[in-house]
Amino acid sequence: QQQVKQSPQSLIVQKGGISIINCAYENTAFDYFPWYQQFPGKGPALLIAIRPDVSEKKEGRFTISFNKSAKQFSLHIMDSQPGDSATYFCAASIAGNTPLVFGKGTRLSVIA
Amino acid sequence: DSGVTQTPKHLITATGQRVTLRCSPRSGDLSVYWYQQSLDQGLQFLIQYYNGEERAKGNILERFSAQQFPDLHSELNLSSLELGDSALYFCASSDTQGAGGYTFGSGTRLTVV
Repeated sequence: QQQVKQSPQSLIVQKGGISIINCAYENTAFDYFPWYQQFPGKGPALLIAIRPDVSEKKEGRFTISFNKSAKQFSLHIMDSQPGDSATYFCAASIAGNTPLVFGKGTRLSVIA
Repeated sequence: DSGVTQTPKHLITATGQRVTLRCSPRSGDLSVYWYQQSLDQGLQFLIQYYNGEERAKGNILERFSAQQFPDLHSELNLSSLELGDSALYFCASSDTQGAGGYTFGSGTRLTVV
């Protein structure tokens, strides 16, 4: 049972463009939605996270949009750079209660 | 350096063997989580320990076991290894029960031949 569905599997974006990765969840009890970034040979690193009391959170070029009624959230990377090329994972949990459940990941390639 | 240390970085072993993966959490973190990462399954949660006690169990095979010691380091034991167990194994830690996000180690790449 996959509790968090992530799309697309892979994404190619031109430098300076906007990268958009989407996730959908099933468990309405989830209340913590982080995104992780993973470079080859490294472990995932927390990028940005949101809780369902807000619909959007922005940190620099990274924005999470959250739609509670649709049970969906997405990551937007503005002005995408080659250094953003990595695998991105969305995740969800009941904060402080259940372990993170991860999507299957999106491999982003930003080309010049 | 994330502060979470995993050893060894690489491990090659034969089918049927047993291996132990080690994780030292970030200083002050009480929770340790183990995840398995394979190409087609993404990050699969295996097991969580909190301050020495098992807290949650995920898709962990009966051939696998783990423990967390009084100094909070954790070990994941994999036995009767099969080719399909080849994967990256990540350890993560958190300062509460995960409400503030996890810090991952660099992983152990296990190859079963």
